Amino acid sequence: GAGVSQSPSNKVTEKGKDVELRCDPISGHTALYWYRQSLGQGLEFLIYFQGNSAPDKSGLPSDRFSAERTGGSVSTLTIQRTQQEDSAVYLCASSLERVGTYGYTFGSGTRLTVV
Amino acid sequence: GENVEQHPSTLSVQEGDSAVIKCTYSDSASNYFPWYKQELGKGPQLIIDIRSNVGEKKDQRIAVTLNKTAKHFSLHITETQPEDSAVYFCAASRSRVFREKLTFGTGTRLTIIP
Repeated sequence: GAGVSQSPSNKVTEKGKDVELRCDPISGHTALYWYRQSLGQGLEFLIYFQGNSAPDKSGLPSDRFSAERTGGSVSTLTIQRTQQEDSAVYLCASSLERVGTYGYTFGSGTRLTVV
Repeated sequence: GENVEQHPSTLSVQEGDSAVIKCTYSDSASNYFPWYKQELGKGPQLIIDIRSNVGEKKDQRIAVTLNKTAKHFSLHITETQPEDSAVYFCAASRSRVFREKLTFGTGTRLTIIP
């Protein structure tokens, strides 16, 4: 596609429920990143995919968080048993190759609110 | 790992004046430094980047400078306009290291006063 697409744009969920956030990167972009942005904060790295593999998962805050990528394209970030502290904007970015070859292109994010 | 600090957190300037945002990084091996602009309700957008083999780069009203010895880099916006109002993020990475991610600063909220 023309840009990085994320869905849903907004999600309100009850504490304890599971949520799935979707990212559709730019066609042909091999690298995909998930970041989290809490209110008024910077961008916190969560996970990085190269193709379908995730060589860097170091930013996932707990085992409630997981992500997968299939077909070298769409990625899903899953948060199980959501907590109020999970409320944030979840941003997905893709790039043609590794950082430094090309910059990231970000999607508009999914605003997650846990009530 | 890399740590990026960004200052100031908020900045207000009169329309037409210049704005400067500064960042420092900790990893001397970092060699790629992009800047992103984030408007309300949107994802960050790359506006300019610089690699460690140059000290300055310009693109119209925007320029970035890099001091590798001091490990700091800055964004300069001249002749500011209302549409420059946004949150700006700096970032750093060791681009030659495969599987390396960007580490971001905490952002600067820039407000242009008409």
